[in-house]
Amino acid sequence: DTEVTQTPKHLVMGMTNKKSLKCEQHMGHRAMYWYKQKAKKPPELMFVYSYEKLSINESVPSRFSPECPNSSLLNLHLHALQPEDSALYLCASSQVRAGLPKGDRFFGPGTRLTVL
Amino acid sequence: SQQGEEDPQALSIQEGENATMNCSYKTSINNLQWYRQNSGRGLVHLILIRSNEREKHSGRLRVTLDTSKKSSSLLITASRAADTASYFCATDLIQGAQKLVFGQGTRLTINP
Repeated sequence: DTEVTQTPKHLVMGMTNKKSLKCEQHMGHRAMYWYKQKAKKPPELMFVYSYEKLSINESVPSRFSPECPNSSLLNLHLHALQPEDSALYLCASSQVRAGLPKGDRFFGPGTRLTVL
Repeated sequence: SQQGEEDPQALSIQEGENATMNCSYKTSINNLQWYRQNSGRGLVHLILIRSNEREKHSGRLRVTLDTSKKSSSLLITASRAADTASYFCATDLIQGAQKLVFGQGTRLTINP
């Protein structure tokens, strides 16, 4: 299985809602990532997990809360989002060697988030 | 912050022609990767070239890397309508090596 899956595909939420994005991979990758992508822009790194531990937080607002419950799963918990947070949220995974990402990233199809 | 600049931002060619996209970056890298993204979907890895390599081929793709100029190019030969997509270069930095930093991307349109 060389696939990264993300659910849901689309999500519409109000600014007072709490929701979660889910990502799963079964390739044995020990690094997992969240990226945010606005329309016609490149993906921007949000978080990196390495061996289920948060290793990078790119100064993301606390209304985004990542969680890595095991080596196959990555969640992004959302609370009190703003309309400007509307974007495509991409999950990715990669192998790790000597504690650093090795090679290419495998991306999921993304969750299209709309905040009203 | 993004470290890659891609050129051109948009490219439109006829099917069968070759497409060349360029990428420049600012800091030292472990490797440079190219990804394709169809409209509103996830990214697909195309090719990775290491900092000690100068050229790499994969099917109809040819990638070059010039570390002295901090630049790379992606050539797609004999283009097809299915090649229509956005193409991003991305760099694995030596410092901050867990970060894959994307360039601004080139929007490629292949006209039948």
